[in-house]
Amino acid sequence: GIQVEQSPPDLILQEGANSTLRCNFSDSVNNLQWFHQNPWGQLINLFYIPSGTKQNGRLSATTVATERYSLLYISSSQTTDSGVYFCAVGQGGSEKLVFGKGTKLTVNP
Amino acid sequence: EPEVTQTPSHQVTQMGQEVILRCVPISNHLYFYWYRQILGQKVEFLVSFYNNEISEKSEIFDDQFSVERPDGSNFTLKIRSTKLEDSAMYFCASRKKRGGNNEQFFGPGTRLTVL
Repeated sequence: GIQVEQSPPDLILQEGANSTLRCNFSDSVNNLQWFHQNPWGQLINLFYIPSGTKQNGRLSATTVATERYSLLYISSSQTTDSGVYFCAVGQGGSEKLVFGKGTKLTVNP
Repeated sequence: EPEVTQTPSHQVTQMGQEVILRCVPISNHLYFYWYRQILGQKVEFLVSFYNNEISEKSEIFDDQFSVERPDGSNFTLKIRSTKLEDSAMYFCASRKKRGGNNEQFFGPGTRLTVL
């Protein structure tokens, strides 16, 4: 099956810093989503981005489908950005999303 | 904005007991899913459901598990005889239709603890 690898596994930042999280996948996809898992365990939809670039406030994402990777950018990080960021992909002919292991982000004040 | 809701938020049960986890998908969505996340691990697909039948399931989804859409709004996951290793966060998700934007929307999860 498709492999999803996220890097780095852990990231510690000072408040106000910028960061880039990466998601590599091993095959073509027709769905790619980024999630933020908050300290209460809830999965928050950030982006649906099987290709192209999107921005939402301080967050933006880019997927280069032909190169099989996606990037999540967080600018001017805040302590509330802390948590685990998951990338998940889906392929044609299958209903499931396959998740990466996540990047654990800690933003210190 | 419409949301997927799940109840209860936390369920504690004894090993061997049956549990039913409940979900209310977004009202005009047609595809429904269950995923689980064992503590500290990644999220794993369990099952997808469309047109009142299972459309896809993983190896995890064995005979102990079943899903049902008992009415027009609820979607349930039943675990027949819980084991310690069933302790996990269970997420329900839904999406609108086949083709086009196939974004899945996730509920807040039910944390299941099996003692």
